[in-house]
Amino acid sequence: GAGVSQSPSNKVTEKGKDVELRCDPISGHTALYWYRQSLGQGLEFLIYFQGNSAPDKSGLPSDRFSAERTGGSVSTLTIQRTQQEDSAVYLCASSLRTFSYEQYFGPGTRLTVT
Amino acid sequence: SQQGEEDPQALSIQEGENATMNCSYKTSINNLQWYRQNSGRGLVHLILIRSNEREKHSGRLRVTLDTSKKSSSLLITASRAADTASYFCATDTGNQFYFGTGTSLTVIP
Repeated sequence: GAGVSQSPSNKVTEKGKDVELRCDPISGHTALYWYRQSLGQGLEFLIYFQGNSAPDKSGLPSDRFSAERTGGSVSTLTIQRTQQEDSAVYLCASSLRTFSYEQYFGPGTRLTVT
Repeated sequence: SQQGEEDPQALSIQEGENATMNCSYKTSINNLQWYRQNSGRGLVHLILIRSNEREKHSGRLRVTLDTSKKSSSLLITASRAADTASYFCATDTGNQFYFGTGTSLTVIP
């Protein structure tokens, strides 16, 4: 079946604007994860969903970041009042269940804040 | 502070040689996973080793886990040019995943 898809693939926005990043997980995967990868760096864990629930939001960098998941499927990561330090590749992954399962990653959204 | 740290940061070898990279972490884990990221491509899962396992094989990959030393190693045998990529370890603490900064492997044909 189809893999994890993310949209848009690239997003350039002006500082202060809000952006929405979308993730479509693999059908049947109950777990969904968001990560951020800055240039040449490892992945920073942001948040995970088990179904529609996000048990731990402490990984979100600031209160400008929020995420939701509806219908146990599509997830949206929203960044309000974007700052230049938000520029990064935002990766989404899904797995059959939370943790202890391999994650399937999407291609990412490259966000550039000017 | 970061949970997973790989070393070396960069490794360059000739095709056919073996490549070994290491990962150290700080807290108790449920399992440890290795991922590969090719330039311009997404992350691909390679292997998962659970905290009660010491060694696991998958094709040309061999992973070891030493929970007493909080470390893991990934061995790629008979390397190929196509193995050129960045390799990340990811530790699962039960409520978070921690990825290291990765080892950049270059295999010279």
